[in-house]
Amino acid sequence: ETGVTQSPTHLIKTRGQQVTLRCSSQSGHNTVSWYQQALGQGPQFIFQYYREEENGRGNFPPRFSGLQFPNYSSELNVNALELDDSALYLCASSSQGTRQETQYFGPGTRLLVL
Amino acid sequence: AQKITQTQPGMFVQEKEAVTLDCTYDTSDQSYGLFWYKQPSSGEMIFLIYQGSYDEQNATEGRYSLNFQKARKSANLVISASQLGDSAMYFCAMREVYNAGNMLTFGGGTRLMVKP
Repeated sequence: ETGVTQSPTHLIKTRGQQVTLRCSSQSGHNTVSWYQQALGQGPQFIFQYYREEENGRGNFPPRFSGLQFPNYSSELNVNALELDDSALYLCASSSQGTRQETQYFGPGTRLLVL
Repeated sequence: AQKITQTQPGMFVQEKEAVTLDCTYDTSDQSYGLFWYKQPSSGEMIFLIYQGSYDEQNATEGRYSLNFQKARKSANLVISASQLGDSAMYFCAMREVYNAGNMLTFGGGTRLMVKP
């Protein structure tokens, strides 16, 4: 196990609602990245947080937002949910400045939007 | 343009045999990192192996090795002595610098099925 935890494990929402997903990073890691994985595809980068600031963002609209807390845990918020937001949301933690900066993933949150 | 290409949607391998999963990548950066992850049906992405663009030796981690051919921009994963527990999706990913941080770009994955 990586030590990265995510909650909840599963979630069902209806179109137009808002959702908050949570992630606790591995001990010693200072960076959290979020990915969206649609069924049958590889994960897509949403954004990354380092020292409580957004460090980089993929091609996702502003209704996808996030936070990182002083203990390096993180939240992903999605407003005005759409059917296409149904996916597995993966959080990964890493330590910026190391040679590999390997990202270690949590078990994911499966979101279904009806 | 697709930056990571995995051309094998699915593969079968006999238990105890070796298997190679293909990955090609596209980048103009000189410094980059290549990763392989395993994703069982539970969903968690499990880190397997890393290859840095400046590493002269091919990476190895237990039964996993990476056949890195920089000029051909390929980073194939070799799994030796396949086990039933190796059945899963396998993703190749490249680390790129993006804004102030770095991101992983993933390929479409290869589903490996190990036959007893």
